[in-house]
Amino acid sequence: DAKTTQPTSMDCAEGRAANLPCNHSTISGNEYVYWYRQIHSQGPQYIIHGLKNNETNEMASLIITEDRKSSTLILPHATLRDTAVYYCIVRPRGNAGKSTFGDGTTLTVKP
Amino acid sequence: GAGVSQTPSNKVTEKGKYVELRCDPISGHTALYWYRQSLGQGPEFLIYFQGTGAADDSGLPNDRFFAVRPEGSVSTLKIQRTERGDSAVYLCASSFSGANVLTFGAGSRLTVL
Repeated sequence: DAKTTQPTSMDCAEGRAANLPCNHSTISGNEYVYWYRQIHSQGPQYIIHGLKNNETNEMASLIITEDRKSSTLILPHATLRDTAVYYCIVRPRGNAGKSTFGDGTTLTVKP
Repeated sequence: GAGVSQTPSNKVTEKGKYVELRCDPISGHTALYWYRQSLGQGPEFLIYFQGTGAADDSGLPNDRFFAVRPEGSVSTLKIQRTERGDSAVYLCASSFSGANVLTFGAGSRLTVL
């Protein structure tokens, strides 16, 4: 799996958009970008994934650059409950097997 | 079941003892994964099952760790001769075959004294 690089920590004001970056400069053409988050004392939770087009669901939006070497997860209106560790992972879709998690970004949403 | 269930949620044991951790995946999920998470770090892959067989056990740290899934549903992670360094949260996840969206359980916190 391609290696990803994320900032260690970020702060965001409640109600504002949280933009979490991820670098994956060695991503291969068949690899998707997946995002998970882990709230304290819980298991990681799937958020969203994409290949090259921007994606949006009820939780977040995913913006992938045209060269696919980086992406940004956007939480449009962060709440205190969005405080968590966010993990960016790249791997081929349809190929079940291990996903490699890094240390993620700790997002703290402040009132 | 509605989600991935892991038992026990907490286990305290003494160095040298044997431990079993159980995972009940989502009904119909044929793929099952075990991860280990140390404090302040991301989940670390241990082993992956497709059905009853271990498709990838490259993450098991040594031969004290073993996992089984005899009927292709429930899985048990077994740790022999536990060491203090084995203390961590052990996470289980499941997915449909070929899918990459993992559903995780809440984990089993193991403390080795």
